[in-house]
Amino acid sequence: SQQGEEDPQALSIQEGENATMNCSYKTSINNLQWYRQNSGRGLVHLILIRSNEREKHSGRLRVTLDTSKKSSSLLITASRAADTASYFCATDAYGNTGKLIFGQGTTLQVKP
Amino acid sequence: DAEITQSPRHKITETGRQVTLACHQTWNHNNMFWYRQDLGHGLRLIHYSYGVQDTNKGEVSDGYSVSRSNTEDLPLTLESAASSQTSVYFCASTPGTKSRTTDTQYFGPGTRLTVL
Repeated sequence: SQQGEEDPQALSIQEGENATMNCSYKTSINNLQWYRQNSGRGLVHLILIRSNEREKHSGRLRVTLDTSKKSSSLLITASRAADTASYFCATDAYGNTGKLIFGQGTTLQVKP
Repeated sequence: DAEITQSPRHKITETGRQVTLACHQTWNHNNMFWYRQDLGHGLRLIHYSYGVQDTNKGEVSDGYSVSRSNTEDLPLTLESAASSQTSVYFCASTPGTKSRTTDTQYFGPGTRLTVL
């Protein structure tokens, strides 16, 4: 079964607006990662947040992690048309194995 | 530049045929992974390898096999292709030891496989 449940499944916004995607998971984790996938391409790593961190920033990306609620959010500020992609959260729910469990993803469309 | 490549990028085959998808990385990464991506299921782990001769089954391994004879390559074989194996297949790799969970996974471009 999938560890990550992402919400919403699809999101459509105008350029310049902020986009927020949420990820919930079921078991304890050491860290959570977010990846982006452009249409027809492989996944690209965006950011990693450890279980002892609550918030992390990278450029226009802001990730939060609430381990008590087993949830994370990815905020993209001042979105651009180039941000149009699918976004996946991934957790190391298999423990110290190096394996990740991916959520089903949120498809983001940013309209110019 | 170091990279991870997959071939072929597109493949059409018939039910019952054996198919091998190639994955090659030039980073000298120890760990390699095969996933399939289907609508409604996200990415699901098929097989993974921590090094030469060290391979393991993932979540959806039935009907698939892998072998790791060198660091660079992890080919995925469909022994007898079935229509249910129509999917997009991604290979990924990470450096470091098998127990290190903070590594970024580096993905190949994917292979779109259609089984008729």
